[in-house]
Amino acid sequence: SQQGEEDPQALSIQEGENATMNCSYKTSINNLQWYRQNSGRGLVHLILIRSNEREKHSGRLRVTLDTSKKSSSLLITASRAADTASYFCATVSGAGSYQLTFGKGTKLSVIP
Amino acid sequence: DAGVIQSPRHEVTEMGQEVTLRCKPISGHNSLFWYRQTMMRGLELLIYFNNNVPIDDSGMPEDRFSAKMPNASFSTLKIQPSEPRDSAVYFCASSPLRDYGYTFGSGTRLTVV
Repeated sequence: SQQGEEDPQALSIQEGENATMNCSYKTSINNLQWYRQNSGRGLVHLILIRSNEREKHSGRLRVTLDTSKKSSSLLITASRAADTASYFCATVSGAGSYQLTFGKGTKLSVIP
Repeated sequence: DAGVIQSPRHEVTEMGQEVTLRCKPISGHNSLFWYRQTMMRGLELLIYFNNNVPIDDSGMPEDRFSAKMPNASFSTLKIQPSEPRDSAVYFCASSPLRDYGYTFGSGTRLTVV
């Protein structure tokens, strides 16, 4: 069953613009993670934010987490054509749990 | 570090045949996960292991599916007998700790005809 729901399902922007993707989830979490998947490839871990954190940065990526609204956002600044991929949020919930539950993803197209 | 290694990359088999997918996790990672990805259902967790012990197999769709992890460096996912609706990309992933990202393999694209 899906825990996270990404929004929008698809996003098309010009190179150099910023891309924002949102994720909402249903139950309380231990952490939330974002992954990228290029077409035909495996998923690549981008960033993890813990439930007691509000914001994290990694290079051109910025992730926010609002546990009161059960939502997160991923911002990619100054996008590049190479950022074209599907982006998934995933959550770890429950005491002692290791398993990640994924949303269905946002398909990002960056047009050169 | 070679990452998580899955084999084969592609598998085409006839309905009713046995299929075995293989995974070698990253050395030192004590959690291993098998996921299935389809357009309709997205990424679904099938089973995960901690220290070679199956912890949660509630995602395994039917008794036709089985998974083993005989040691820390090898796991298999077996489908017997296979059916066309099993066609999907199967991913293996490993992780060292709970508050750590997963490393995914490149996946096995299974087509059952």
